[in-house]
Amino acid sequence: AQKVTQAQTEISVVEKEDVTLDCVYETRDTTYYLFWYKQPPSGELVFLIRRNSFDEQNEISGRYSWNFQKSTSSFNFTITASQVVDSAVYFCALRTPTGTASKLTFGTGTRLQVTL
Amino acid sequence: KAGVTQTPRYLIKTRGQQVTLSCSPISGHRSVSWYQQTPGQGLQFLFEYFSETQRNKGNFPGRFSGRQFSNSRSEMNVSTLELGDSALYLCASSSRLAGSETQYFGPGTRLLVL
Repeated sequence: AQKVTQAQTEISVVEKEDVTLDCVYETRDTTYYLFWYKQPPSGELVFLIRRNSFDEQNEISGRYSWNFQKSTSSFNFTITASQVVDSAVYFCALRTPTGTASKLTFGTGTRLQVTL
Repeated sequence: KAGVTQTPRYLIKTRGQQVTLSCSPISGHRSVSWYQQTPGQGLQFLFEYFSETQRNKGNFPGRFSGRQFSNSRSEMNVSTLELGDSALYLCASSSRLAGSETQYFGPGTRLLVL
C-alpha cells in the first residue's frame, strides 16, 4: 500500500518569510513519481512539480524549491520570500505505476496562510 | 492549449436523484481520471479511463460510474444520491495512461446534495 503524510495541517506566515511544507511518503515500489499541487480557493488543482524516484536532484524554480531525499522518504517544498498570492492548500501526491494503469495518492494537504 | 474543462461548475440535487458530470480533457490527452474531494476524506481516486475503457477503479460503491467517449471526453454518473456525496469532483487528464505522466486538473464541479 502507498501512503502520503503531510503532518502540517495549517501554517501561517508573514509575507517575505520562508516556509517549508513537509511531505513523507511510503511505498514498496522502486519506481514511483512524486508531485506537488497547489489548490487556491477557486478549487482547481494546479500542478507545480513532478519528481521521479530515480532522480534525487533537488530543484529550484523561482521562489520555489524542492528537496527530495529517498533515504528519509521525504519530498519537502520550500517557498522563499512568501507572498500573499501563495496562500492556498498544497498537496503532495504519489503514484506507483502498476500494470497499465495507476492512480494518485494524495496527502491531506497543508493550508498556507500568508499575511501582510 | 485550453485546459481541462468541467461542467457544470455547481450543482444542487436532492437525495435519491442522480447526477451526471462532464469533463473535457486537454486537446490530445487520452486519459481521464476522476477524484472526489471532501473535508473528511480528502482527495480520493474514483476511476481512470483510457481509450474508452475503464483502466482503474477506486473504492467507491457501484452508484458511481463513468464512461469515456471516442473524443476522450468523459462523464461520471452518481445514482441515488446520498448526503455524503456532497463534494468537489475533480477531473484530470494526461496524454497517456497516467503512469509517469503528469495529470492536469480541471476546476471541478461542486455538488451539494440536500
